[in-house]
Amino acid sequence: GQNIDQPTEMTATEGAIVQINCTYQTSGFNGLFWYQQHAGEAPTFLSYNVLDGLEEKGRFSSFLSRSKGYSYLLLKELQMKDSASYLCAVKYAGNNRKLIWGLGTSLAVNP
Amino acid sequence: GAVVSQHPSRVICKSGTSVKIECRSLDFQATTMFWYRQFPKQSLMLMATSNEGSKATYEQGVEKDKFLINHASLTLSTLTVTSAHPEDSSFYICRKRGGMDTEAFFGQGTRLTVV
Repeated sequence: GQNIDQPTEMTATEGAIVQINCTYQTSGFNGLFWYQQHAGEAPTFLSYNVLDGLEEKGRFSSFLSRSKGYSYLLLKELQMKDSASYLCAVKYAGNNRKLIWGLGTSLAVNP
Repeated sequence: GAVVSQHPSRVICKSGTSVKIECRSLDFQATTMFWYRQFPKQSLMLMATSNEGSKATYEQGVEKDKFLINHASLTLSTLTVTSAHPEDSSFYICRKRGGMDTEAFFGQGTRLTVV
């Protein structure tokens, strides 16, 4: 199968740092996306990783290790508005461009 | 600005009626559009893949006669929920593959409530 695993829920404090992990099946891997989704809204694109290493975009960074089938999303200087669901999605070769989606990690940022 | 425009954002309909949801590509032509359904606190579930000028490909368990997909032009794909029932109430979202394939463009989503 092509299961994508990520924690169901996480809680963090405003101003802190939180890391959301995602693991996936490595065979046929062809890129990994992170999305943020607020309740009742469509997902918004955060990052795309296809090579190993860390990609930094302001307060958000995303890391990928292809050999380990592992990625994480790092959120720094957390703000209340970061409370949302974070979705990990993986693209596999020969899959008709479909993305395989994780169930999402619901992050609650507390004051 | 939005790359994919989805309408309507919210719709309430009576059981047994049909509802059409439109997704329009505003910049790049959308040869492929993905349609998802999302129940509360759950992840996106792919329903079908629509390809311009050909029949849609449905995921296992999705009734093709109930969820009609039309992709007659490069800029417009539609999903029609036919004979809607309360259990069809959900959040429906379209997504088109980005031109560089490094992003995936979502519509704004449609909240369907069947009463």
